[in-house]
Amino acid sequence: DVKVTQSSRYLVKRTGEKVFLECVQDMDHENMFWYRQDPGLGLRLIYFSYDVKMKEKGDIPEGYSVSREKKERFSLILESASTNQTSMYLCASSSSRGKSQHFGDGTRLSIL
Amino acid sequence: EDKVVQSPLSLVVHEGDTVTLNCSYEVTNFRSLLWYKQEKKAPTFLFMLTSSGIEKKSGRLSSILDKKELFSILNITATQTGDSAIYLCAVEANSGTYKYIFGTGTRLKVLA
Repeated sequence: DVKVTQSSRYLVKRTGEKVFLECVQDMDHENMFWYRQDPGLGLRLIYFSYDVKMKEKGDIPEGYSVSREKKERFSLILESASTNQTSMYLCASSSSRGKSQHFGDGTRLSIL
Repeated sequence: EDKVVQSPLSLVVHEGDTVTLNCSYEVTNFRSLLWYKQEKKAPTFLFMLTSSGIEKKSGRLSSILDKKELFSILNITATQTGDSAIYLCAVEANSGTYKYIFGTGTRLKVLA
């Protein structure tokens, strides 16, 4: 079974801090994604990557960056955390285009 | 702009009832439509639909796609309390790059 592991289930940070959210998948998947999930807004795509060292902006990339130095790991970085980035963050991977995504359990991030 | 709309936003039923969840979409270069179930943690994959009129079935759950009218339905028969969850609809589209667009989800609560 595919496993997508997110480093933290809950995280509390302060405004202005640089925040790193880590995601690791164990099935050699090409594609990895970062979403945030907010009530009434559903899942919104922040960034995605179809290969190592490759990244593409999703629908809401402002205030975020990503890093994919190794195939199995996709990191989301909040450069200077703000309270409006308080949310549930979900990482996902898929083996190729046209395949379903496998999700991690999510990181509930609170910015105070 | 690509969009996916789910209805209803929330639903409360009693065990044994049958429910129908709706997902309509407007996207550039439709590739596939996917249904996920999200309980406390990670969304889990239910169905992927690519062709019109072909029902996919798994136990008490079934789904069908209408590519002419641009919608899909997810049916759950003889509902159980374990069906309580958020049901997410996502569409894979190619608007320059491949990506998944999610609806806001339908929150289903099944009462004993």
